[in-house]
Amino acid sequence: EIVLTQSPATLSLSPGDRATLSCRASLSVRNLLAWYQQKSGQAPRLLIFEATNRATGIPARFSGSWSGTDFTLTISRLEPEDFAVYYCQQGRHWPPTFGQGTRLDIK
Amino acid sequence: QVQLVESGGGVVQPGRSLRLSCAASGFTFSSYGIHWVRQAPGKGLEWVSFTSDDGKKTIYADSVKGRFTISRHNSNNTLYVQMNSLRPEDTAVYYCAKDTIRELPGTSFDYWGQGTLVSVSS
Repeated sequence: EIVLTQSPATLSLSPGDRATLSCRASLSVRNLLAWYQQKSGQAPRLLIFEATNRATGIPARFSGSWSGTDFTLTISRLEPEDFAVYYCQQGRHWPPTFGQGTRLDIK
Repeated sequence: QVQLVESGGGVVQPGRSLRLSCAASGFTFSSYGIHWVRQAPGKGLEWVSFTSDDGKKTIYADSVKGRFTISRHNSNNTLYVQMNSLRPEDTAVYYCAKDTIRELPGTSFDYWGQGTLVSVSS
């Protein structure tokens, strides 16, 4: 199965900062990668699908990019509600797999 | 608006069975694949199972293959998973999740339920 490696494990930043989260796939998944945000006690929320497309209702400060097997989620200016855990997920190969997550903490 | 509501979780002894349900509303249920995804306490997300829009195709994670059975009743917009021979490592919050793009099942999940907790313990 495809392994997704997210880095860093934890990212400590301040509101207003720019956040850059990475996800590397063990094999090509083309652009079939999604990003999710999960807050404590809540279900995951889809942010980005097909590597670059924002899901319905997601603010423009969230953006996705990719090159080869490397994917990036960028949050341009952090808002207080953005501090959460972020997961990437590939859907190119069965079974769908998730990265281990990046925790975005308030500095 | 789209809603997915899971039910059926609880505490169960190892080796016993449990059936979870997921009631869907706000979209054409029969047009989308639906998945079960689980999350063990304090851990990450693990995909568990998929059923196609018509229920004819089902796929399972190796960790549950032969023990779990996914099914759906499009007549009442409900997804199920029958979980047999439960193990302590099956302890998790179980979410149902809808495919974003009906033509690309498994590529992303745009709506999730709130989850139901299954605890397998003696």
